[in-house]
Amino acid sequence: AQSVAQPEDQVNVAEGNPLTVKCTYSVSGNPYLFWYVQYPNRGLQFLLKYITGDNLVKGSYGFEAEFNKSQTSFHLKKPSALVSDSALYFCAVRDNSNSGYALNFGKGTSLLVTP
Amino acid sequence: GAGVSQTPSNKVTEKGKYVELRCDPISGHTALYWYRQSLGQGPEFLIYFQGTGAADDSGLPNDRFFAVRPEGSVSTLKIQRTERGDSAVYLCASSLNAGLQETQYFGPGTRLLVL
Repeated sequence: AQSVAQPEDQVNVAEGNPLTVKCTYSVSGNPYLFWYVQYPNRGLQFLLKYITGDNLVKGSYGFEAEFNKSQTSFHLKKPSALVSDSALYFCAVRDNSNSGYALNFGKGTSLLVTP
Repeated sequence: GAGVSQTPSNKVTEKGKYVELRCDPISGHTALYWYRQSLGQGPEFLIYFQGTGAADDSGLPNDRFFAVRPEGSVSTLKIQRTERGDSAVYLCASSLNAGLQETQYFGPGTRLLVL
């Protein structure tokens, strides 16, 4: 079975400050982890993914995420937040335990960046 | 290039009616996925196609839901005898191939409201 937890419903950060959006996962096999962003009335936009290799993954719009196997986490980060980063962020996982190709999503974290 | 498109963007129907939701994937993408997103939740998997065949329909909630992809491109999600609980945003995604490493690209969704 696969699952994702996003422990924070909302994250507030001031523009220019670093941001972190947390994600922890549970899988049977090796994890494949994804971050998506959703703006109001829009579909999900892909930010980045971890497949294998380097634990630090860089993605779109200056975002990065760090895979931590021992803590089963894949937190999303950005060194300097922008007001335009305000949106809903989803972490998703699937694994190689013959559970198919569907993505299992967390509930989402609302990020609010204030000027 | 063109992304995933979905029509209609909004659909209002009455309880008991039949609805069809259409998805046009990115050209050349062989895999197509349907998800459902309820308010305040992450997307939940419904069904996945590889080519023309439904490779995994384990997420369909009951037999009122059905999807087709007759020519391996456009897909239609069909809901019979709609219920108020079917109200949600229905998201379609496509990927170049089916695979654990593949990125799924999402459309803007169809917002379904059952009165």
